[in-house]
Amino acid sequence: DTEVTQTPKHLVMGMTNKKSLKCEQHMGHRAMYWYKQKAKKPPELMFVYSYEKLSINESVPSRFSPECPNSSLLNLHLHALQPEDSALYLCASSQDPAGETQYFGPGTRLLVL
Amino acid sequence: GESVGLHLPTLSVQEGDNSIINCAYSNSASDYFIWYKQESGKGPQFIIDIRSNMDKRQGQRVTVLLNKTVKHLSLQIAATQPGDSAVYFCAENRDDKIIFGKGTRLHILP
Repeated sequence: DTEVTQTPKHLVMGMTNKKSLKCEQHMGHRAMYWYKQKAKKPPELMFVYSYEKLSINESVPSRFSPECPNSSLLNLHLHALQPEDSALYLCASSQDPAGETQYFGPGTRLLVL
Repeated sequence: GESVGLHLPTLSVQEGDNSIINCAYSNSASDYFIWYKQESGKGPQFIIDIRSNMDKRQGQRVTVLLNKTVKHLSLQIAATQPGDSAVYFCAENRDDKIIFGKGTRLHILP
């Protein structure tokens, strides 16, 4: 099973809303990632969790708050987002924190109004 | 600056022909490269990878070639099929991060 699942598939939120994106994998992977992808652009790394601890934050604004409750779950809490934050948010996981062979979920398409 | 990039943003190929997607990288210290396929509405899907101690690696209908001398990476798809229509990204693993190139959209002509 090489599946990474993400919920919800689509999300529309206002700039004052608080919402959360969820990601789950049951491959026993010890590293999990959040990426942001704008239309016609490559994915851009946001956060890396290694053994359930935040290891990389690519200078992401604090209105994005990641959380790793356990080794299978990864959340991204959203608060006071801006319209320019509208994008596809991708979760990925890999066997080890070296980041090799990352498996991606289908993404959550977020629209901020 | 250092980057991973692609020569062409789009590529149109006749169904049944071979496709070649190219990628240039500038970080000579990179030692691991990956090709991903992203279909519309989906996340990137791992296709094939190659380490810098190799110059060629083959998978099912796909071959990746690495030329470290000119810092060039290519993905060859044999007998291109309609299901190969997607955006293809080359990527390098650097400092425990995957850095994606700009992507090439592959169009399959009937």
